[in-house]
Amino acid sequence: AQTVTQSQPEMSVQEAETVTLSCTYDTSESDYYLFWYKQPPSRQMILVIRQEAYKQQNATENRFSVNFQKAAKSFSLKISDSQLGDAAMYFCAYRPGNTPLVFGKGTRLSVIA
Amino acid sequence: ETGVTQSPTHLIKTRGQQVTLRCSSQSGHNTVSWYQQALGQGPQFIFQYYREEENGRGNFPPRFSGLQFPNYSSELNVNALELDDSALYLCASSLAFRDRVAGYTFGSGTRLTVV
Repeated sequence: AQTVTQSQPEMSVQEAETVTLSCTYDTSESDYYLFWYKQPPSRQMILVIRQEAYKQQNATENRFSVNFQKAAKSFSLKISDSQLGDAAMYFCAYRPGNTPLVFGKGTRLSVIA
Repeated sequence: ETGVTQSPTHLIKTRGQQVTLRCSSQSGHNTVSWYQQALGQGPQFIFQYYREEENGRGNFPPRFSGLQFPNYSSELNVNALELDDSALYLCASSLAFRDRVAGYTFGSGTRLTVV
């Protein structure tokens, strides 16, 4: 079975500091996508960043970057210069080929002013 | 460009009843997926519709059914509601092209409580 594991149920970070959220996944596929989604109290899933497995270069979107280790099946999210608006649930998700998303259980991020 | 709209936002039903949840896809999208998110969990895939036909289903019983309409909006129907059906139901639309699905746009969900 394809699974996504987020080992940190909760994390906290001081405003302006850097935090890293962990994610590992289990797959036998070679073609897949990885995602980080943010879910604020408004409940809408917002795409933060995506990574194609065939790309060795780590994806970056402004203050958000990933550390993609394909052999280790690891996909961590680094948030730099954390802001109060970054506080939310963060979900790691995996999509092999053209199949639906498989989500982890999420990490609740708190940002301390 | 409109996003994904779900209705209603909240709903309370009694065990054994039936419920219909609705989703309007983002303009230009032809695929809609439904997810169930129980409290404290990540979303679980229920099923997906492409051009009005179901083309993928997760591990959910047949009492979970759906429809996709010609305008690509969608409904999720749940019969014989059980207490464990209480959850946030998320709809996501996307554009499928040559059997590849692009990124998903999610709605804000419907919070269903079964009492």
